[in-house]
Amino acid sequence: AQKITQTQPGMFVQEKEAVTLDCTYDTSDQSYGLFWYKQPSSGEMIFLIYQGSYDEQNATEGRYSLNFQKARKSANLVISASQLGDSAMYFCAMREGLLGNEKLTFGTGTRLTIIP
Amino acid sequence: GAGVSQSPSNKVTEKGKDVELRCDPISGHTALYWYRQSLGQGLEFLIYFQGNSAPDKSGLPSDRFSAERTGGSVSTLTIQRTQQEDSAVYLCASGLGQGPPWETQYFGPGTRLLVL
Repeated sequence: AQKITQTQPGMFVQEKEAVTLDCTYDTSDQSYGLFWYKQPSSGEMIFLIYQGSYDEQNATEGRYSLNFQKARKSANLVISASQLGDSAMYFCAMREGLLGNEKLTFGTGTRLTIIP
Repeated sequence: GAGVSQSPSNKVTEKGKDVELRCDPISGHTALYWYRQSLGQGLEFLIYFQGNSAPDKSGLPSDRFSAERTGGSVSTLTIQRTQQEDSAVYLCASGLGQGPPWETQYFGPGTRLLVL
């Protein structure tokens, strides 16, 4: 079973609109972290936002917020007031809090295109 | 401050040759990670370093792949007898080494390897 599922291979959104990128995860661990990264065409993975499994509040970082629904095992990224520079691949990732487990497991990504 | 740097940014080699990829982590980061991004496999974890030791090598695809880290800083990923399926972007990330699940990994720009 996939640990991270991103069901939207591509999305087109009008500039200035809000956009939600979906991410669901699968883990039996109680302690885990969820991350979103942005990968522009230049290739660098840029960290956007983090949510811990014990965090009661949804994480926010500027125009980015993470809609964390623990019971549904979803961690959707919301970008408010989208900009042309938001066009990129977006990856959801999870790190499970198992002792000694340091790796990030990534979803397949969503390619977001902002239309002027 | 300076981010994670990787060199070379691009590498073209012939099948059967050895290649070395270098990663300079963010200063003060004790944790270092290597990932591979390819069209067919997405983003895959390769190896994790804490200081100079590698507690998790579970992602290395074969014994042709090895990595070392010296002085708790620079890391080198070596691929011996390269094969065409090794063609991918090799990404390095570093982190503070505080442990899961709240550890954020910061990525470098990657090395694009093409094996002819």
